[in-house]
Amino acid sequence: AQSVAQPEDQVNVAEGNPLTVKCTYSVSGNPYLFWYVQYPNRGLQFLLKYITGDNLVKGSYGFEAEFNKSQTSFHLKKPSALVSDSALYFCAVRDRQRAGSYQLTFGKGTKLSVIP
Amino acid sequence: DTAVSQTPKYLVTQMGNDKSIKCEQNLGHDTMYWYKQDSKKFLKIMFSYNNKELIINETVPNRFSPKSPDKAHLNLHINSLELGDSAVYFCASSQGLAGGEQFFGPGTRLTVL
Repeated sequence: AQSVAQPEDQVNVAEGNPLTVKCTYSVSGNPYLFWYVQYPNRGLQFLLKYITGDNLVKGSYGFEAEFNKSQTSFHLKKPSALVSDSALYFCAVRDRQRAGSYQLTFGKGTKLSVIP
Repeated sequence: DTAVSQTPKYLVTQMGNDKSIKCEQNLGHDTMYWYKQDSKKFLKIMFSYNNKELIINETVPNRFSPKSPDKAHLNLHINSLELGDSAVYFCASSQGLAGGEQFFGPGTRLTVL
């Protein structure tokens, strides 16, 4: 089975500073990787995905993620954090369920707090 | 228009009761999912349906029974509710079975007393 790991339960960053939320993956074959964000009392929202192509993927709200095959990482980044970015961030990997069907397996989440 | 909607948003009930959560999506997707998010925010898939056919049925007690009357709806019925069923339940949808991005509903917070 495919899996992702988010090594940090919480990340604190000052407003205006760059932010990074870490994710590493373990897959057989080519990885399909995703980032989702969950604001308090809301459902998950899709931010971006990597399937193939450029290692730097751009997504919603100014977020981007860098796919690094040698380090098996897919870290989420933003050049300048906003207080409104404070939320729970999930990394996910596509995992094969059976022939022709897949599911998403999520990491445990990282709480991002942006301090004014 | 809400893309994926769930009702109710909150559900408080006694142990042993039976309850249902409804989900509807207006995105034209053919695959729908139920997830459970526990108190530690860990998100785990429970079921997925494609074109009304059950695709994924993770290790979930058989007290949980999903029903998909059509592609746009996936309901979750829970029998004999237990304290451990307290969680937030999310519905999601996507197009196809290739594991692309999923669109999530706002969640249903179930509290079993």
